[in-house]
Amino acid sequence: NAGVMQNPRHLVRRRGQEARLRCSPMKGHSHVYWYRQLPEEGLKFMVYLQKENIIDESGMPKERFSAEFPKEGPSILRIQQVVRGDSAAYFCASRLAGTNEQFFGPGTRLTVL
Amino acid sequence: EDQVTQSPEALRLQEGESSSLNCSYTVSGLRGLFWYRQDPGKGPEFLFTLYSAGEEKEKERLKATLTKKESFLHITAPKPEDSATYLCAVQAEGGGSQGNLIFGKGTKLSVKP
Repeated sequence: NAGVMQNPRHLVRRRGQEARLRCSPMKGHSHVYWYRQLPEEGLKFMVYLQKENIIDESGMPKERFSAEFPKEGPSILRIQQVVRGDSAAYFCASRLAGTNEQFFGPGTRLTVL
Repeated sequence: EDQVTQSPEALRLQEGESSSLNCSYTVSGLRGLFWYRQDPGKGPEFLFTLYSAGEEKEKERLKATLTKKESFLHITAPKPEDSATYLCAVQAEGGGSQGNLIFGKGTKLSVKP
């Protein structure tokens, strides 16, 4: 049973470009969470999604960031017009309905030049 | 405000030298406390979930315990392969929580042969 998949693993963007990060949850998991890890900081919650629904986006910056989890395909975290402060590791976690444990992917490391 | 504090920030041990990592938390209502292991450049790996004071979980050389205010991760006779950053996270109860995890900054453990 494959774990949580994220791609790309590394992404380099110039200021003002768009970044798209993809997450495929574990098989059978319908709950997806995105977290951001800044250098020397702990993991911070960004958004929680179920298929076709955003359940909680209280941790998302108000501008430039969006997320989706379509009926078919991976969850996408989109960052428009990236700035240097967006450089971080972005992790996706998935959870099986009816359980509490979240399982993390390997992360996408975004570098903004 | 819900928060998690881990100590020490870094811990160096000799192989075989047992020790404990601390996780103190303040949360309006605790749904669960989670321990993860994170290796450099990788995503957090799930270790344990604890739900109520007095509960203990064990896995190989690791044992996690929980009180009403803190959790300990005890490492018995550690080996160099136990070197990693250990993360503690809590999940709060209540209508405002959708299951997202609140993380501490972690304890970086180094075990020397």
